Amino acid sequence: KQEVTQIPAALSVPEGENLVLNCSFTDSAIYNLQWFRQDPGKGLTSLLLIQSSQREQTSGRLNASLDKSSGRSTLYIAASQPGDSATYLCAVKRAGSYQLTFGKGTKLSVIP
Amino acid sequence: ETGVTQSPTHLIKTRGQQVTLRCSSQSGHNTVSWYQQALGQGPQFIFQYYREEENGRGNFPPRFSGLQFPNYSSELNVNALELDDSALYLCASSESGRGETQYFGPGTRLLVL
Repeated sequence: KQEVTQIPAALSVPEGENLVLNCSFTDSAIYNLQWFRQDPGKGLTSLLLIQSSQREQTSGRLNASLDKSSGRSTLYIAASQPGDSATYLCAVKRAGSYQLTFGKGTKLSVIP
Repeated sequence: ETGVTQSPTHLIKTRGQQVTLRCSSQSGHNTVSWYQQALGQGPQFIFQYYREEENGRGNFPPRFSGLQFPNYSSELNVNALELDDSALYLCASSESGRGETQYFGPGTRLLVL
């Protein structure tokens, strides 16, 4: 059974700092990995999707990497802003499965 | 292009009642997935519909059921509500469900008293 873990559960940083969020998964037979952002009480916004054959994806100040063999992904946020404050979730889709398996998320607070 | 929409936004029910939640998929998407997110947890997969057929189900009891209509909108029905069913219910649509990006709606917050 696939398990996804995100560390830390919460993170508080001053504005402007670069930061890294971590995601690990137990079954390396994944099809892809997706990072989402969730604002309080809201739905999920897709940030980046990395296919299993890819090593990283970039969008603006965000960069996500994937090391499938070690079961790890990181989300790098450059020059953090207060508007980045949200919960960040990673989710993996196993090869041959229809479902996304999510971690519990990392709650990020960027202090002005 | 219209995104994924869900209705209602909030709902309060009592234990034992039945509830129907609705989802309209993004234009051009024929696959809808439903997730349950309890407070402080990641979303849990309930089931997925592709072209009106259920093609995948998570670890949820049969009192959770669904439908997908010819226009690819979908319903989630929950019978015999329990207190633990209180959660945010999220709907996601995608082009085929095989591996591309899933786009989530804003969710329906269900409170069971």
